[in-house]
Amino acid sequence: QVQLVQSGAEVKNPGASVKVSCTASGNTVTDHHIHWVRQAPGQGLEWMGWINPKSGVRNNSKKFQGRVIMTRDTAISTAYMELSRLRSDDTAVYYCARGILGYCSGGTCYPRDDGFDMWGQGTMVTVSS
Amino acid sequence: QTVVTQEPSFSVSPGGTVTLTCGLTSGSVSTSYYPSWYQQTPGQPPRTLIYSTNSRSSGVPDRFSGSILGNKAALTITGAQADDESDYYCVLYMGSGISVFGGGTKLTVL
Repeated sequence: QVQLVQSGAEVKNPGASVKVSCTASGNTVTDHHIHWVRQAPGQGLEWMGWINPKSGVRNNSKKFQGRVIMTRDTAISTAYMELSRLRSDDTAVYYCARGILGYCSGGTCYPRDDGFDMWGQGTMVTVSS
Repeated sequence: QTVVTQEPSFSVSPGGTVTLTCGLTSGSVSTSYYPSWYQQTPGQPPRTLIYSTNSRSSGVPDRFSGSILGNKAALTITGAQADDESDYYCVLYMGSGISVFGGGTKLTVL
């Protein structure tokens, strides 16, 4: 059974960078996008972007343009989200979520850009001096 | 900038039916926005309930249903139970690979 397992909590100084990992256990790289979503303490969910682990194609919210880099290592079925120039308002739980698949044809399934069907457990990132 | 809107809070009696909505500050929500819905309890990751307007995620009971009502997406819970007390979030797909969350609805069952 596939699970998304994220790296542990991080504490960073303002201005530093953080890199959070998300490993798909029980499966190799699939056709699904991996999305990143964050939640500040007491606040709602915020979509950050996605990466397709197979192709490396990525997309992200304009809000994080220039500060977020999404990468992947297909050999270990792991996606990464690196956020730079951290500020105190980046303090949040960061989740990875698996995107939904669309139609399948000839043994290949095509990812949809909308919706998520599975979530990681979350990684708390605290930005504080 | 278009914002995704949800009721901040809602309450329902045990056994009752409640419909939560997901709209836009500008324009109408249609199936082309592929609305999806997520349930979250404190300290837990979200749980996927509905995607593509009305497709239930695996293991989600059929008391949860999604639809378009008027100019909004809707999540209806029938036969509300105590453990349905959660925060509910909708997501709308804006095109060009971009998704946006609504602000969430805190549902109380009492």
